[in-house]
Amino acid sequence: GEDVEQSLFLSVREGDSSVINCTYTDSSSTYLYWYKQEPGAGLQLLTYIFSNMDMKQDQRLTVLLNKKDKHLSLRIADTQTGDSAIYFCAESTILTGGGNKLTFGTGTQLKVEL
Amino acid sequence: DARVTQTPRHKVTEMGQEVTMRCQPILGHNTVFWYRQTMMQGLELLAYFRNRAPLDDSGMPKDRFSAEMPDATLATLKIQPSEPRDSAVYFCASGLVGRDTQYFGPGTRLTVL
Repeated sequence: GEDVEQSLFLSVREGDSSVINCTYTDSSSTYLYWYKQEPGAGLQLLTYIFSNMDMKQDQRLTVLLNKKDKHLSLRIADTQTGDSAIYFCAESTILTGGGNKLTFGTGTQLKVEL
Repeated sequence: DARVTQTPRHKVTEMGQEVTMRCQPILGHNTVFWYRQTMMQGLELLAYFRNRAPLDDSGMPKDRFSAEMPDATLATLKIQPSEPRDSAVYFCASGLVGRDTQYFGPGTRLTVL
């Protein structure tokens, strides 16, 4: 079955770069996603990458995809205290009844220290 | 600013009581998902609707949970009877058929005593 794995915690200093890693299993995923969850809030779509791309950059965010190793990473440049949150990686998998569902990783808690 | 809304945001109830959670998907969206988030299990998909029809509810305990979409602007998740192990945050998300991207509501935090 599908499985998405992430490390649980990451601590960085303000101004440094953060790299959050994720491995997934479904090689047929069309899109792979990064969601951000702040305390007490829902999941916010941060960025996504199409499976035929290797890299996508969006302001301070860089997504790297290694399809061969099924490895996805999210790099946040110049990390700020407002980036402290839980980051979820998600792969898209096909449902038996048709349509797609997202399978989420366990989430990586990013803590940004001054 | 289109967004998914959920009510109530918080619910505390006693074991055995019925709980109904409501979701209003983004106008024009035709897929709706219900997720449950706990510390132990993370995010689990409970049910999925496409054009108001339930397509997959294999993640949902059938004996006590039910999900419906009475119309395109309302999705409900009902638990009857509720149990302490149902305590979790329940999220609704909506999207468009053929597009993987899902937009999440703020969640309903349920506590069953």
